[in-house]
Amino acid sequence: NAGVTQTPKFRVLKTGQSMTLLCAQDMNHEYMYWYRQDPGMGLRLIHYSVGEGTTAKGEVPDGYNVSRLKKQNFLLGLESAAPSQTSVYFCASRSGTFPGELFFGEGSRLTVL
Amino acid sequence: AQSVTQLGSHVSVSEGALVLLRCNYSSSVPPYLFWYVQYPNQGLQLLLKYTSAATLVKGINGFEAEFKKSETSFHLTKPSAHMSDAAEYFCVLANQAGTALIFGKGTTLSVSS
Repeated sequence: NAGVTQTPKFRVLKTGQSMTLLCAQDMNHEYMYWYRQDPGMGLRLIHYSVGEGTTAKGEVPDGYNVSRLKKQNFLLGLESAAPSQTSVYFCASRSGTFPGELFFGEGSRLTVL
Repeated sequence: AQSVTQLGSHVSVSEGALVLLRCNYSSSVPPYLFWYVQYPNQGLQLLLKYTSAATLVKGINGFEAEFKKSETSFHLTKPSAHMSDAAEYFCVLANQAGTALIFGKGTTLSVSS
């Protein structure tokens, strides 16, 4: 029972490079989220999706793009990475029943040099 | 605007002592509140949630929280701390639209023997 799986778990980028983080869930959840976690800041919402083909901006969306082409996958893209995007990224999902439990992946640690 | 404030970024207790982690919220609508826990190098998992059914909510691992509307608080307690309780704890508020969760900045709990 995989739950929420994030890939890759670690990545080092140079400033200006691009990359995509993949989140996959096998629970048939409608809602999916991308958060970033920085020391002393808690988790801040980047983008979220309320269903296949939909996306919406969260609290800190600048510099990121997302896509939800398939219900089970939620991709987070960095088109031109900046050192300020060095962080731990968490994907989460939940069912459509409100307020349902969020299920989290184990995180992806990104360093931008 | 909705917000969550956790009082104290770091709490230290001795094994067997009472654990009290404080959380205050701001919301113009009846809130849905949660506590999540993050063990080192892991994702987050749900401890407990308040959905207006009962003001005293029991969660996993012996934790409980009491919703006090008059104090706009949702403090987390455990009568007797264990070493395994050492983790970061997040107080979380569901947003008004019911589409996303707003995280507090977190409180790190240390337990000494």
